[in-house]
Amino acid sequence: DQQVKQNSPSLSVQEGRISILNCDYTNSMFDYFLWYKKYPAEGPTFLISISSIKDKNEDGRFTVFLNKSAKHLSLHIVPSQPGDSAVYFCAAHGSHGSSNTGKLIFGQGTTLQVKP
Amino acid sequence: EPEVTQTPSHQVTQMGQEVILRCVPISNHLYFYWYRQILGQKVEFLVSFYNNEISEKSEIFDDQFSVERPDGSNFTLKIRSTKLEDSAMYFCASSEDFWDTEAFFGQGTRLTVV
Repeated sequence: DQQVKQNSPSLSVQEGRISILNCDYTNSMFDYFLWYKKYPAEGPTFLISISSIKDKNEDGRFTVFLNKSAKHLSLHIVPSQPGDSAVYFCAAHGSHGSSNTGKLIFGQGTTLQVKP
Repeated sequence: EPEVTQTPSHQVTQMGQEVILRCVPISNHLYFYWYRQILGQKVEFLVSFYNNEISEKSEIFDDQFSVERPDGSNFTLKIRSTKLEDSAMYFCASSEDFWDTEAFFGQGTRLTVV
């Protein structure tokens, strides 16, 4: 059951450059998407989210883009910093409408390494 | 900043034993969740809990699993008879609402079944 997919297991970028992390989903009923960041031995930390009524949401260095027709979202980090090195998870609210329970469906994660 | 706290951080147990993982969600949150991550795999939903009852559970959450909110602050996950394949990081999470809102995660409990 791969409803949320992150096809790149890892990404390496130079400090100061842009990091672009990608995520695809298969269920057109998903209407809310989130990005989480995770360091080893810690829980996921919320970064940024986007509702399906928007195509872009920005918070400081982080911007999430949503392309509903392609069922694709991406996270842009500009400029990238060494402290951004972590695993990034894309997630979607996996239930909706009257049966919405807040359940999140996660992608497999992308390990980002930002080199100084 | 309010946070979700989990205890213990690491639990080692013998196969067949019962374990209870504990969580203190953020105080004004009403929705509670358990997720797990087996080493090298994705974070998987186990169960959501609201108003003192389970609102949704996954196929993983079979009769060996149960959740409880025994008082106004704690939220627990019990595994009745642990199996080797239950070894994983277990994350508790909470949210203010279930609709278009983020869940906040604890730091996790590493469960090792030997």
